[in-house]
Amino acid sequence: AQTVTQSQPEMSVQEAETVTLSCTYDTSENNYYLFWYKQPPSRQMILVIRQEAYKQQNATENRFSVNFQKAAKSFSLKISDSQLGDTAMYFCAFRSSGSARQLTFGSGTQLTVLP
Amino acid sequence: DSGVTQTPKHLITATGQRVTLRCSPRSGDLSVYWYQQSLDQGLQFLIQYYNGEERAKGNILERFSAQQFPDLHSELNLSSLELGDSALYFCASSDPGQGASNYGYTFGSGTRLTVV
Repeated sequence: AQTVTQSQPEMSVQEAETVTLSCTYDTSENNYYLFWYKQPPSRQMILVIRQEAYKQQNATENRFSVNFQKAAKSFSLKISDSQLGDTAMYFCAFRSSGSARQLTFGSGTQLTVLP
Repeated sequence: DSGVTQTPKHLITATGQRVTLRCSPRSGDLSVYWYQQSLDQGLQFLIQYYNGEERAKGNILERFSAQQFPDLHSELNLSSLELGDSALYFCASSDPGQGASNYGYTFGSGTRLTVV
């Protein structure tokens, strides 16, 4: 079974600065999908960014980018120019490319952006 | 509005009771997933339905059951409720039938269940 580990329960960053959230995972599969979801105080789950394992290029969505290291099974999220609205719980998630399409989530990192 | 509708938003009930949570997937999505998020915890996968059939099962208790109807909405039934069942229950939808390019999920806003 796949596991996803987020080793930073809490992090903080000053507004306009850059922060990196860590995520590692364990799988024996060669192809899979990785996601970062954001959960603000409203508790809504919002997709931030996604990455296909067979793509070597790191995904980027505006201020959000990932550092995908397949051999190391690492998938970190970088948030540039942090904004107060980025304050949220961030979850890393894994999905198999096979018939099991459910997401396996990490335990989350609570990010607080300080004014 | 994500397109996935969950009702009710909040539910308070007593131990031993039974409740039904409802989810309407985004238009065109055939798959429905149920997740449980306990206080300050990550999301745990419960069960998946695809076009009316059970596709995958996770850590779902025997007291819990689900189904997906012909109109593709899904219901999660929780019975003999215990205090520890208090959690946020999410529904998510996707449509694997469109191929690998469409591997995203859309989450509903969740149902907060409080068992007292």
